[in-house]
Amino acid sequence: RKEVEQDPGPFNVPEGATVAFNCTYSNSASQSFFWYRQDCRKEPKLLMSVYSSGNEDGRFTAQLNRASQYISLLIRDSKLSDSATYLCVVSLIKAAGNKLTFGGGTRVLVKP
Amino acid sequence: DAGITQSPRYKITETGRQVTLMCHQTWSHSYMFWYRQDLGHGLRLIYYSAAADITDKGEVPDGYVVSRSKTENFPLTLESATRSQTSVYFCASSESGWANYGYTFGSGTRLTVV
Repeated sequence: RKEVEQDPGPFNVPEGATVAFNCTYSNSASQSFFWYRQDCRKEPKLLMSVYSSGNEDGRFTAQLNRASQYISLLIRDSKLSDSATYLCVVSLIKAAGNKLTFGGGTRVLVKP
Repeated sequence: DAGITQSPRYKITETGRQVTLMCHQTWSHSYMFWYRQDLGHGLRLIYYSAAADITDKGEVPDGYVVSRSKTENFPLTLESATRSQTSVYFCASSESGWANYGYTFGSGTRLTVV
């Protein structure tokens, strides 16, 4: 089983609609959680951290469910520019320093 | 310019050759990382470094060597390139070891081994 699993999609979303997708992680000791965005043939970029109580950043809302070991990302009022692959990332702090583990990504295509 | 830069952007090499991918950051971040990204596998950690002269293996270290004699540089060497090492390689750096600030990635090196 992969440490971080995501539905690869693609999620085809009409412009202006809401889309949500989840990511599950296997290690219950995971301590930090993030969503990264990756555009085609570009480097991943941090979209937002995910906090225990859930958090918003503009049209983006992230939630963490530790009991069920998943995080979610919701995008409201989707824009064409939201088309990208969204990477779920978890961090497990170890003695030698933390490392981020990336999911395979969920592809989102926003269409006019 | 400040940031994290990788070179070369594109590289084609032959099987069996040694090739070095360069990574340079100007923030004096302690942590640096090398990932490879392949279809079906996502990003996988090859090696990371917590500081100059401190390196450790990641998930897929076989066939790779790293060094970090200076904080700002973290080169990745493929000792004898194989076709399975054809991939996109990303270098990243982090301000702290606690990942609270996430990682900043370089633009990547697309390596093709023929």
